[in-house]
Amino acid sequence: NAGVTQTPKFRILKIGQSMTLQCTQDMNHNYMYWYRQDPGMGLKLIYYSVGAGITDKGEVPNGYNVSRSTTEDFPLRLELAAPSQTSVYFCASSEDGRPQHFGDGTRLSIL
Amino acid sequence: QKEVEQNSGPLSVPEGAIASLNCTYSDRGSQSFFWYRQYSGKSPELIMFIYSNGDKEDGRFTAQLNKASQYVSLLIRDSQPSDSATYLCAAFNNAGNMLTFGGGTRLMVKP
Repeated sequence: NAGVTQTPKFRILKIGQSMTLQCTQDMNHNYMYWYRQDPGMGLKLIYYSVGAGITDKGEVPNGYNVSRSTTEDFPLRLELAAPSQTSVYFCASSEDGRPQHFGDGTRLSIL
Repeated sequence: QKEVEQNSGPLSVPEGAIASLNCTYSDRGSQSFFWYRQYSGKSPELIMFIYSNGDKEDGRFTAQLNKASQYVSLLIRDSQPSDSATYLCAAFNNAGNMLTFGGGTRLMVKP
C-alpha cells in the first residue's frame, strides 16, 4: 500500500517554464489537496478536490491549475513559473475531508 | 482572514519533562482541530485530533480544546529527544471544507 505518491521529489525550473507536479493515491479517497510550505511556515492550501471532476480554490490558487479526472490522480500545473513559487509542495488525501495522509513532498526551486 | 496562531519557538524542554504547545484560532466556525508533527525535511504526520471541549488523551499526548477561548493545546508527557520536531496546529471548518494551518512550533527536547 503506497499511500500518497508525489513525483518528482526535486525540480529546478527557470522563470517562465511550466511543469506538472504529479500526485497519486491508492486508498480510494475522495478528498485530495495541494499545499505549499515556505521555509519556517505552515501549510497554505492551493487547491482541493472533493471527488473526480470537482475542484475548488484554496487560499493561494493564483499561478496554479489542477484537474481531477480520476479518483486516484490530482496533478498540479504551474503554467509560468515565478520565483515566488519556490516552495515545498505537499499533496494530501482523506476519506472524510480532514487531511490525514500526506505525500513526501516536491521541492521546487525557480531560478 | 481566518488565522491559526502558534509561537514559532523554539520551545526547549529537558528529557522527561512535559512539553506544552499552544495554539489560538480566529474562526469561531472551526469545528475540529488537528495536531501534526513534522520532522525536518519530512511531510506532516497526524498525531491527534479533537472535536469537543475538554481533554483527549492518546498515550503520552493530550490535546486540550477550549472553544470559548478559541484555544487548543498539545501536551507531551515524558518528552523524548525523538519528539524534537515542528508541531503544526490546524483548524477545520466544515462549511468551508478547509483546514487552516498555523506556522508551527519547533520543539527541542534536550537529553
